Amino acid sequence: GAGVSQSPSNKVTEKGKDVELRCDPISGHTALYWYRQSLGQGLEFLIYFQGNSAPDKSGLPSDRFSAERTGGSVSTLTIQRTQQEDSAVYLCASSSQGDNSPLHFGNGTRLTVT
Amino acid sequence: QQQVKQSPQSLIVQKGGISIINCAYENTAFDYFPWYQQFPGKGPALLIAIRPDVSEKKEGRFTISFNKSAKQFSLHIMDSQPGDSATYFCAASKRNNAGNMLTFGGGTRLMVKP
Repeated sequence: GAGVSQSPSNKVTEKGKDVELRCDPISGHTALYWYRQSLGQGLEFLIYFQGNSAPDKSGLPSDRFSAERTGGSVSTLTIQRTQQEDSAVYLCASSSQGDNSPLHFGNGTRLTVT
Repeated sequence: QQQVKQSPQSLIVQKGGISIINCAYENTAFDYFPWYQQFPGKGPALLIAIRPDVSEKKEGRFTISFNKSAKQFSLHIMDSQPGDSATYFCAASKRNNAGNMLTFGGGTRLMVKP
Protein backbone atom coordinates (compact mmCIF):
# COMPACT_ATOMS: atom_id res chain seq x y z
CA GLY A 1 0.00 0.00 0.00
CA ALA A 2 0.93 3.65 -0.20
CA GLY A 3 3.30 5.00 2.39
CA VAL A 4 3.62 8.50 3.77
CA SER A 5 3.89 11.00 0.94
CA GLN A 6 5.55 14.40 1.27
CA SER A 7 5.66 17.25 -1.20
CA PRO A 8 7.57 18.91 -2.57
CA SER A 9 10.61 16.66 -2.29
CA ASN A 10 12.87 19.68 -2.68
CA LYS A 11 12.21 23.37 -2.12
CA VAL A 12 14.58 26.27 -2.63
CA THR A 13 13.34 29.62 -1.38
CA GLU A 14 14.71 33.05 -0.73
CA LYS A 15 15.20 34.33 2.77
CA GLY A 16 12.07 36.07 4.00
CA LYS A 17 9.63 34.09 1.86
CA ASP A 18 6.92 31.81 3.27
CA VAL A 19 6.87 28.09 2.46
CA GLU A 20 4.31 25.33 2.85
CA LEU A 21 5.26 21.69 3.21
CA ARG A 22 2.66 18.99 2.73
CA CYS A 23 2.28 15.54 4.26
CA ASP A 24 -0.15 12.80 3.24
CA PRO A 25 -0.13 10.15 5.96
CA ILE A 26 -0.96 6.47 5.59
CA SER A 27 -4.71 6.07 5.31
CA GLY A 28 -6.27 5.35 8.68
CA HIS A 29 -3.32 6.55 10.73
CA THR A 30 -4.62 8.83 13.46
CA ALA A 31 -1.29 10.20 14.68
CA LEU A 32 0.94 12.45 12.58
CA TYR A 33 4.33 13.86 13.47
CA TRP A 34 6.70 16.45 12.02
CA TYR A 35 10.44 16.20 12.64
CA ARG A 36 13.34 18.28 11.35
CA GLN A 37 16.69 16.80 10.37
CA SER A 38 19.58 19.18 9.87
CA LEU A 39 22.55 18.08 7.79
CA GLY A 40 24.21 15.11 9.45
CA GLN A 41 22.19 15.57 12.60
CA GLY A 42 19.51 13.68 14.47
CA LEU A 43 15.79 14.15 14.27
CA GLU A 44 14.34 17.13 16.12
CA PHE A 45 10.66 16.82 17.11
CA LEU A 46 8.50 19.70 15.95
CA ILE A 47 4.82 18.89 16.45
CA TYR A 48 2.43 15.99 16.87
CA PHE A 49 -1.22 15.62 15.83
CA GLN A 50 -3.80 13.24 17.18
CA GLY A 51 -6.63 13.51 14.69
CA ASN A 52 -6.88 17.21 13.86
CA SER A 53 -5.68 18.49 17.19
CA ALA A 54 -2.10 19.14 18.21
CA PRO A 55 -1.65 18.20 21.88
CA ASP A 56 2.07 18.85 21.70
CA LYS A 57 3.49 21.88 19.90
CA SER A 58 6.48 22.13 22.18
CA GLY A 59 9.03 21.48 19.47
CA LEU A 60 8.15 24.34 17.16
CA PRO A 61 11.32 26.47 17.13
CA SER A 62 9.61 29.86 16.82
CA ASP A 63 6.29 31.54 16.11
CA ARG A 64 7.26 31.57 12.42
CA PHE A 65 6.43 27.87 12.39
CA SER A 66 2.86 26.59 12.35
CA ALA A 67 1.10 23.42 11.30
CA GLU A 68 -2.40 22.25 10.73
CA ARG A 69 -4.15 19.02 9.90
CA THR A 70 -7.53 18.78 8.26
CA GLY A 71 -9.98 15.90 8.03
CA GLY A 72 -7.69 13.78 10.16
CA SER A 73 -5.51 13.30 7.13
CA VAL A 74 -3.33 15.79 5.24
CA SER A 75 -1.07 18.09 7.24
CA THR A 76 0.67 21.29 6.22
CA LEU A 77 3.73 22.74 7.93
CA THR A 78 4.12 26.46 7.23
CA ILE A 79 7.28 28.44 7.80
CA GLN A 80 6.87 32.21 7.54
CA ARG A 81 9.67 34.65 6.78
CA THR A 82 12.15 31.84 6.25
CA GLN A 83 15.69 32.18 7.57
CA GLN A 84 18.85 30.39 6.47
CA GLU A 85 18.88 28.38 9.68
CA ASP A 86 15.55 26.85 8.62
CA SER A 87 17.40 24.90 5.91
CA ALA A 88 16.96 21.23 6.72
CA VAL A 89 15.05 18.11 5.74
CA TYR A 90 11.54 18.17 7.15
CA LEU A 91 10.24 14.67 7.82
CA CYS A 92 6.66 13.67 8.38
CA ALA A 93 5.60 10.39 9.97
CA SER A 94 2.32 8.77 10.83
CA SER A 95 1.27 5.94 13.09
CA SER A 96 -1.85 4.05 13.97
CA GLN A 97 -3.45 4.34 17.37
CA GLY A 98 -2.11 1.80 19.77
CA ASP A 99 0.60 1.21 22.25
CA ASN A 100 3.87 2.49 20.82
CA SER A 101 2.78 1.92 17.24
CA PRO A 102 5.73 2.25 14.84
CA LEU A 103 6.25 5.53 13.05
CA HIS A 104 6.18 5.36 9.27
CA PHE A 105 8.23 8.16 7.77
CA GLY A 106 7.98 9.85 4.41
CA ASN A 107 11.11 10.68 2.44
CA GLY A 108 11.06 14.27 3.58
CA THR A 109 11.16 17.71 2.02
CA ARG A 110 14.63 19.17 1.63
CA LEU A 111 14.30 22.91 2.25
CA THR A 112 17.09 25.25 1.23
CA VAL A 113 16.84 28.93 2.16
CA THR A 114 19.19 31.12 0.15
CA GLN B 1 18.36 18.88 27.04
CA GLN B 2 19.54 15.90 25.05
CA GLN B 3 17.58 13.02 26.52
CA VAL B 4 19.06 10.29 24.32
CA LYS B 5 22.80 10.25 23.65
CA GLN B 6 24.16 8.07 20.87
CA SER B 7 27.70 6.99 20.05
CA PRO B 8 29.76 6.75 17.96
CA GLN B 9 28.80 9.39 15.39
CA SER B 10 30.40 7.31 12.66
CA LEU B 11 31.60 3.76 12.38
CA ILE B 12 33.55 1.81 9.78
CA VAL B 13 33.40 -1.98 9.88
CA GLN B 14 34.76 -4.66 7.59
CA LYS B 15 32.32 -6.98 5.89
CA GLY B 16 31.54 -9.87 8.21
CA GLY B 17 32.41 -7.90 11.33
CA ILE B 18 30.20 -6.82 14.22
CA SER B 19 28.85 -3.27 14.32
CA ILE B 20 28.01 -1.93 17.77
CA ILE B 21 26.15 1.31 18.42
CA ASN B 22 25.41 2.55 21.91
CA CYS B 23 22.74 4.79 23.40
CA ALA B 24 22.09 6.18 26.85
CA TYR B 25 18.93 7.84 28.09
CA GLU B 26 18.07 10.04 31.03
CA ASN B 27 14.30 9.88 31.43
CA THR B 28 13.37 6.86 33.53
CA ALA B 29 9.78 7.15 32.26
CA PHE B 30 10.90 5.90 28.85
CA ASP B 31 9.69 2.35 28.29
CA TYR B 32 10.00 1.75 24.58
CA PHE B 33 13.31 1.76 22.72
CA PRO B 34 13.32 1.37 18.93
CA TRP B 35 16.12 1.57 16.42
CA TYR B 36 15.56 3.16 13.04
CA GLN B 37 17.63 2.73 9.87
CA GLN B 38 17.90 5.51 7.31
CA PHE B 39 19.32 5.28 3.79
CA PRO B 40 20.33 8.47 1.92
CA GLY B 41 17.35 10.33 0.52
CA LYS B 42 14.88 8.19 2.43
CA GLY B 43 13.01 8.55 5.68
CA PRO B 44 13.99 6.43 8.68
CA ALA B 45 12.42 2.97 8.92
CA LEU B 46 11.87 0.89 12.03
CA LEU B 47 14.49 -1.85 12.35
CA ILE B 48 13.93 -3.43 15.76
CA ALA B 49 12.54 -2.37 19.13
CA ILE B 50 12.67 -3.48 22.75
CA ARG B 51 10.80 -2.87 25.99
CA PRO B 52 12.60 -2.78 29.35
CA ASP B 53 11.07 -6.02 30.60
CA VAL B 54 13.64 -7.97 28.57
CA SER B 55 17.41 -7.58 28.43
CA GLU B 56 17.91 -8.69 24.84
CA LYS B 57 15.97 -9.00 21.61
CA LYS B 58 17.25 -10.62 18.44
CA GLU B 59 15.88 -10.42 14.92
CA GLY B 60 18.09 -12.06 12.35
CA ARG B 61 21.50 -10.38 12.40
CA PHE B 62 20.25 -7.50 14.56
CA THR B 63 20.25 -7.63 18.37
CA ILE B 64 19.30 -5.03 20.95
CA SER B 65 20.89 -5.33 24.38
CA PHE B 66 19.21 -3.38 27.17
CA ASN B 67 20.60 -2.46 30.60
CA LYS B 68 17.85 -0.83 32.64
CA SER B 69 19.96 -0.04 35.70
CA ALA B 70 22.56 1.72 33.59
CA LYS B 71 19.91 3.34 31.38
CA GLN B 72 21.76 2.14 28.30
CA PHE B 73 20.91 0.11 25.24
CA SER B 74 22.86 -0.94 22.21
CA LEU B 75 22.42 -2.30 18.70
CA HIS B 76 24.63 -5.13 17.50
CA ILE B 77 24.76 -6.00 13.81
CA MET B 78 26.34 -9.40 13.32
CA ASP B 79 28.03 -10.40 10.05
CA SER B 80 27.79 -6.80 8.83
CA GLN B 81 27.20 -6.41 5.09
CA PRO B 82 27.81 -3.49 2.70
CA GLY B 83 24.03 -3.22 2.35
CA ASP B 84 23.86 -2.37 6.05
CA SER B 85 25.68 0.90 5.31
CA ALA B 86 23.22 3.54 6.51
CA THR B 87 22.56 5.93 9.36
CA TYR B 88 21.14 4.34 12.49
CA PHE B 89 19.10 6.19 15.09
CA CYS B 90 18.18 4.98 18.54
CA ALA B 91 15.06 6.44 20.08
CA ALA B 92 12.94 6.29 23.19
CA SER B 93 9.36 7.04 24.17
CA LYS B 94 6.83 6.59 26.92
CA ARG B 95 3.94 4.18 26.62
CA ASN B 96 1.04 6.13 25.11
CA ASN B 97 -2.00 4.76 23.35
CA ALA B 98 -2.62 8.05 21.60
CA GLY B 99 0.65 8.22 19.78
CA ASN B 100 4.32 7.45 19.94
CA MET B 101 6.38 10.60 20.31
CA LEU B 102 9.93 9.46 19.92
CA THR B 103 13.02 11.23 21.21
CA PHE B 104 15.88 10.37 18.88
CA GLY B 105 19.59 10.06 19.41
CA GLY B 106 21.97 11.97 17.17
CA GLY B 107 22.54 9.12 14.75
CA THR B 108 25.45 6.88 13.74
CA ARG B 109 26.65 6.73 10.17
CA LEU B 110 27.75 3.15 9.51
CA MET B 111 29.93 2.18 6.61
CA VAL B 112 30.59 -1.50 5.96
CA LYS B 113 33.61 -2.03 3.72
CA PRO B 114 33.55 -4.95 1.28
